[in-house]
Amino acid sequence: DQQVKQNSPSLSVQEGRISILNCDYTNSMFDYFLWYKKYPAEGPTFLISISSIKDKNEDGRFTVFLNKSAKHLSLHIVPSQPGDSAVYFCAASGMQGAQKLVFGQGTRLTINP
Amino acid sequence: DVKVTQSSRYLVKRTGEKVFLECVQDMDHENMFWYRQDPGLGLRLIYFSYDVKMKEKGDIPEGYSVSREKKERFSLILESASTNQTSMYLCASSVSNQPQHFGDGTRLSIL
Repeated sequence: DQQVKQNSPSLSVQEGRISILNCDYTNSMFDYFLWYKKYPAEGPTFLISISSIKDKNEDGRFTVFLNKSAKHLSLHIVPSQPGDSAVYFCAASGMQGAQKLVFGQGTRLTINP
Repeated sequence: DVKVTQSSRYLVKRTGEKVFLECVQDMDHENMFWYRQDPGLGLRLIYFSYDVKMKEKGDIPEGYSVSREKKERFSLILESASTNQTSMYLCASSVSNQPQHFGDGTRLSIL
């Protein structure tokens, strides 16, 4: 049973445009969410997180939005750059800082010049 | 900068062998984790540890065990390797309330 789902295996976006990656979850006990970015042959690196007490968190070109009623979060990248091409994983946990994470399947983002 | 080092990038073993995957972190993190990454399934937690000599089962512990004798080192053990354990294995470490830092992974093939 996949508690965290990324329904788009891949996404292709033109350089300079907005990239929107989506993630849905089923467990209402999740209250802390993270996005990780993974390049080939490297481990995932932390990108941005959001607590359930917020509905938006922004860090430079990256913004994460959380819709608790819909159990949905999204990552917006504006403007998209070629170096953003990677696999993006969303993850969730039961309390902020709690260390047992549940990951989605990942979305491969390709930024086209 | 946090450094999580996995001892091997690639490993090929035979069915039935006992396999050890080693992970070392250099930031005195109390928490350490082992995941496997498979296409279409994302990262799945195998085991984790909050302290030396302490371990907790993750979501898919069957066929695996772990050892944490020192704070900086967390070992994953495949007791009797099987072909369905062919995967990318990722180790991570963290302090509480902070995101996990990952190693670069070990691609393990069981023939």
